[in-house]
Amino acid sequence: DTEVTQTPKHLVMGMTNKKSLKCEQHMGHRAMYWYKQKAKKPPELMFVYSYEKLSINESVPSRFSPECPNSSLLNLHLHALQPEDSALYLCASSQTQGGAGETQYFGPGTRLLVL
Amino acid sequence: GEDVEQSLFLSVREGDSSVINCTYTDSSSTYLYWYKQEPGAGLQLLTYIFSNMDMKQDQRLTVLLNKKDKHLSLRIADTQTGDSAIYFCAESLEGRRALTFGSGTRLQVQP
Repeated sequence: DTEVTQTPKHLVMGMTNKKSLKCEQHMGHRAMYWYKQKAKKPPELMFVYSYEKLSINESVPSRFSPECPNSSLLNLHLHALQPEDSALYLCASSQTQGGAGETQYFGPGTRLLVL
Repeated sequence: GEDVEQSLFLSVREGDSSVINCTYTDSSSTYLYWYKQEPGAGLQLLTYIFSNMDMKQDQRLTVLLNKKDKHLSLRIADTQTGDSAIYFCAESLEGRRALTFGSGTRLQVQP
């Protein structure tokens, strides 16, 4: 089973709202990732968690706040977003064993629209 | 530096072979990947190749790697309409967990 699940599939929020995106995997992977993908563009890395600790933050604005409550779950808390933050948010996971263990498996994404 | 490039669009007829090309610049690539993305969906891992290999075959998919020229290709045999999607190549670099993606190639399969 190489499944990464994400909820919700779609989200519409206003600029004053607070919402959260959720990601879950049960493959025993210890690295989890958030990517942002704008239309017709490749995914761009936002955050990497390794063994539940934040290891990479690609200079993401503080209105995006990641959280890794346990090895299977990854959240992305959203607050005071801007319309330009509308995008597909993808979660991924990998084993962290090095070599082919770094192969990343992606979830279906949450399509976010900020009004 | 890191730079992965792909052509933007490829159109083929159903039953033909498709070849999607990718070039990269960083010689410290360890693994190279091909992902497929259908409209509105996430990325599906198709296949990957270790940088010391030059070919990998998996059913209808053949990956060729020319490390000297830093050129990667994905050949899809007997292309079907269900293969219509965007195909991203990506590289992972030694000591860096993140993937670097190409811009994606949109494959259109005509019946």
